Amino acid sequence: DADVTQTPRNRITKTGKRIMLECSQTKGHDRMYWYRQDPGLGLRLIYYSFDVKDINKGEISDGYSVSRQAQAKFSLSLESAIPNQTALYFCATSDPTPTTPPDTQYFGPGTRLTVL
Amino acid sequence: AQTVTQSQPEMSVQEAETVTLSCTYDTSESNYYLFWYKQPPSRQMILVIRQEAYKQQNATENRFSVNFQKAAKSFSLKISDSQLGDTAMYFCAFMKKRGGSEKLVFGKGTKLTVNP
Repeated sequence: DADVTQTPRNRITKTGKRIMLECSQTKGHDRMYWYRQDPGLGLRLIYYSFDVKDINKGEISDGYSVSRQAQAKFSLSLESAIPNQTALYFCATSDPTPTTPPDTQYFGPGTRLTVL
Repeated sequence: AQTVTQSQPEMSVQEAETVTLSCTYDTSESNYYLFWYKQPPSRQMILVIRQEAYKQQNATENRFSVNFQKAAKSFSLKISDSQLGDTAMYFCAFMKKRGGSEKLVFGKGTKLTVNP
């Protein structure tokens, strides 16, 4: 869905490096999410934000931090990357207003991160 | 905590045939949503179909339909007239709907291959 973009699409980094994954959306949605996908494990929620001032930990937040710079931007940071953070990372958005299905999340194309 | 189980890691079907993917979930909630997402090799997460728990009627979207059995906590996806483009990972997901908390819990996925 071109309305949700993620940069970079692929990244290789080394253990101990700080890395930031960025998500931008033009949907005008208030709610944004970061998920991690590992082979055989499905997607798991890392952090979510219901507006700029509301950020919440998800299921697997250890080792990650986030920043909601604006309604349209939600960044995920790995302060000191480790190999078991190698995964596919997805950003998603949703809008709880009655004009759109409040239960539908729209996903970005994903960022494949490799930590050596 | 909610859990979602997809008991079929891999399935295959012949083109034009019908296939059913299984999903069960565990929750004490009475008000929730269920989803099937498709992830083709492009890795994009695409919403296939969604079901609201308080609706008894099974959702249908073109060739995709669900069999929602609330008492049994079962939510299977039927794909009719399978096409080569249906080859993908399919994820079942649960979202409880209480207080506006919209967090998706995913199953581990079923890899579907449609053979010509």
